Amino acid sequence: AQSVTQPDIHITVSEGASLELRCNYSYGATPYLFWYVQSPGQGLQLLLKYFSGDTLVQGIKGFEAEFKRSQSSFNLRKPSVHWSDAAEYFCAVGASSGNTGKLIFGQGTTLQVKP
Amino acid sequence: DAGVIQSPRHEVTEMGQEVTLRCKPISGHNSLFWYRQTMMRGLELLIYFNNNVPIDDSGMPEDRFSAKMPNASFSTLKIQPSEPRDSAVYFCASNRDRVYEQYFGPGTRLTVT
Repeated sequence: AQSVTQPDIHITVSEGASLELRCNYSYGATPYLFWYVQSPGQGLQLLLKYFSGDTLVQGIKGFEAEFKRSQSSFNLRKPSVHWSDAAEYFCAVGASSGNTGKLIFGQGTTLQVKP
Repeated sequence: DAGVIQSPRHEVTEMGQEVTLRCKPISGHNSLFWYRQTMMRGLELLIYFNNNVPIDDSGMPEDRFSAKMPNASFSTLKIQPSEPRDSAVYFCASNRDRVYEQYFGPGTRLTVT
């Protein structure tokens, strides 16, 4: 069965510092992978997605993620964090369930940004 | 595009009362998902529909919960009777077949006292 693990429940970084949020997945075939962001009191917003091709994908708000098949990982990165990036981040994998688009979400990582 | 619309945004009710949450998916999307988010359990998929048909309701916590999708532009999630442990944020999301990216609504914050 597909699963997603985000090992870090909570991360604190200083504003301007680089960021990497970890995501590991379990999936038999080539996965469809996603990162979503949830700001306080808001719904989830898609940051970026990987379906195939270039393993380094660019998203909105200056985020990028790299798909590494050998490590079953899809880590999210940002070179310089802004205070507005404080939010909860979810990694997700597309489940093979008849193409209805079901996603399996990780437990989320809460990012705190220090001034 | 209006995005996924959920109503109400906030609901406060007393234990034992019936609660109905509503969702309008993005036009043209034919899959709809209901999630529940709590601090303790995180984001849980309750049920999802494809072409108005429930495909997987294994996440529905118990018989007090029911969901319907009478047409392509409307879905409801009903809790009867409600209990304090049902307090959570309920999200609705939609997408198209073979397009896994889901678009989320703003959520309904439910408080059961």
